[in-house]
Amino acid sequence: ETGVTQTPRHLVMGMTNKKSLKCEQHLGHNAMYWYKQSAKKPLELMFVYNFKEQTENNSVPSRFSPECPNSSHLFLHLHTLQPEDSALYLCASSQDYTGNTEAFFGQGTRLTVV
Amino acid sequence: DAKTTQPPSMDCAEGRAANLPCNHSTISGNEYVYWYRQIHSQGPQYIIHGLKNNETNEMASLIITEDRKSSTLILPHATLRDTAVYYCIVRVASGNTGKLIFGQGTTLQVKP
Repeated sequence: ETGVTQTPRHLVMGMTNKKSLKCEQHLGHNAMYWYKQSAKKPLELMFVYNFKEQTENNSVPSRFSPECPNSSHLFLHLHTLQPEDSALYLCASSQDYTGNTEAFFGQGTRLTVV
Repeated sequence: DAKTTQPPSMDCAEGRAANLPCNHSTISGNEYVYWYRQIHSQGPQYIIHGLKNNETNEMASLIITEDRKSSTLILPHATLRDTAVYYCIVRVASGNTGKLIFGQGTTLQVKP
């Protein structure tokens, strides 16, 4: 138990569906992250929020839409995804967005797009 | 961001020390060395991090060379549950740009 909880753990969605991934942290952290991990590939950083403000968007397609309503919650809204978007989506949080604060990860959401 | 180089795979006998190397020859003075591991299909787990000095915690020890161009993660008594992909990452320490960028890592197989 890392203090970072992701729901759902598994999600199957059609290409025309709209769904959302949720991440919640109980650590009092101020920075939150979304990562994508495709099969047999390293984690790819998607978005970073620091004090609820988006500070990083690594050229992520607009069909992925993040939302950070407060420092404890992070969402990833999904719409009109493609089969190649099937992956493990991981959320992480850290005290802040500097180099001397470790980040803790949730267990991820396994997404399958059919 | 500085890049790291790790061997793609290593084996270790159960009960022995596992020494995982990492090269980061272009590391800057304000960049920390972080180690994470990922057991199959789970979220990465933080292990340890350091700047200049060697560090030790309940999980592992981190040895950083004096010139900071390489480091070694040591698991003192490896168990079968330590089988995982181990990631060495360098992370800038100043400003508002503390990106945590993962590479391919080292797959450690602990064998009975």
